[in-house]
Amino acid sequence: GQQVMQIPQYQHVQEGEDFTTYCNSSTTLSNIQWYKQRPGGHPVFLIQLVKSGEVKKQKRLTFQFGEAKKNSSLHITATQTTDVGTYFCAGLDADMRFGAGTRLTVKP
Amino acid sequence: NAGVTQTPKFRVLKTGQSMTLLCAQDMNHEYMYWYRQDPGMGLRLIHYSVGEGTTAKGEVPDGYNVSRLKKQNFLLGLESAAPSQTSVYFCASSYGTRNAVQYFGPGTRLTVT
Repeated sequence: GQQVMQIPQYQHVQEGEDFTTYCNSSTTLSNIQWYKQRPGGHPVFLIQLVKSGEVKKQKRLTFQFGEAKKNSSLHITATQTTDVGTYFCAGLDADMRFGAGTRLTVKP
Repeated sequence: NAGVTQTPKFRVLKTGQSMTLLCAQDMNHEYMYWYRQDPGMGLRLIHYSVGEGTTAKGEVPDGYNVSRLKKQNFLLGLESAAPSQTSVYFCASSYGTRNAVQYFGPGTRLTVT
């Protein structure tokens, strides 16, 4: 069945360093969504990618959807303490499946 | 608008007890979902509903039942709680199809002893 794998599981960075999380699907996706969950909070929608090779930016965040629509990445430039949280990808094939998430911690 | 609300926020149950978690949304969304979140496992879909009076099984439905008697409410029931059901439960809703943006509630932390 459909699986969505996300790596790394954890990432600890110094404030100002860059951060990237990767999402890989075993099947071709219709679209992919990214969510952020702050510690103790609930997932909040960040962005949706639909087209093959699509790249979207939100300030310091860059999202990419692979050409084959089976992988995606989220890159944060110059992390800040406000970026702390767990980042989830969610891929839609027959079902919407969430990755296990990447927990980001930032040392000031 | 309150968005998606969940009650209760916390609950402790003994093995074998039953309970119902309530989810309510005021966004007139057609789709509603129940997820459980466990460390290292991400969000796993328990059941979902595509409209009033309809329900469907998700990835991990065993041990849970749901009902959607009103469009704005989605109930998750545990008939006989087990320690393996200790988790954080999130309700979500979306407008239109399943690839639409999901709006999550604040979660219910359930402990089964």
